[in-house]
Amino acid sequence: DAGITQSPRHKVTETGTPVTLRCHQTENHRYMYWYRQDPGHGLRLIHYSYGVKDTDKGEVSDGYSVSRSKTEDFLLTLESATSSQTSVYFCAISERGGTPSNYGYTFGSGTRLTVV
Amino acid sequence: TQLLEQSPQFLSIQEGENLTVYCNSSSVFSSLQWYRQEPGEGPVLLVTVVTGGEVKKLKRLTFQFGDARKDSSLHITAAQTGDTGLYLCAARGLTGGGNKLTFGTGTQLKVEL
Repeated sequence: DAGITQSPRHKVTETGTPVTLRCHQTENHRYMYWYRQDPGHGLRLIHYSYGVKDTDKGEVSDGYSVSRSKTEDFLLTLESATSSQTSVYFCAISERGGTPSNYGYTFGSGTRLTVV
Repeated sequence: TQLLEQSPQFLSIQEGENLTVYCNSSSVFSSLQWYRQEPGEGPVLLVTVVTGGEVKKLKRLTFQFGDARKDSSLHITAAQTGDTGLYLCAARGLTGGGNKLTFGTGTQLKVEL
């Protein structure tokens, strides 16, 4: 199995507090992604990274920031958590980008975040 | 935004039955993938299809990519309780997007004895 771990697995936090989720990989893959999964919406891309210090926004990036100072770590920060950010967050890694287009994602086990 | 519609949303069947799950879009995609997700875990890649009309088989699972590369189907023969899970299709677009995948909303399958 690909080495990708997310921490913490579960977190409850209060509205207005900052929260950082961590994704760590041991595969030396260039691409890393953060998704959120909500009922009725499937998986939606928050931010992604295509290299160290190279990141870009996804479709639901408002209220989130990311950092990637090392190949193996991709951090997702909620600057001031809101109840609408209660969700399950998944990190994914991918070896290649662009073509060929048959590279899949390997996902972590997720972080269940509850904002109260 | 490229939308991927999956149907049905929920499916509950008895062990031994056959089923088909559909993934449709109005956009053309360069490739399409199917994932399965179990409770408390992340999605796991099942298959990638890249050629219009392509059919791939994985034991009792048959995946097809539409000729126009706008739709795909997953057929399971003689379902087993171990097939229970959330099935997600995901696609890459032809214009822009690079390696980023767009996911469908998923089909929740429950197979009972």
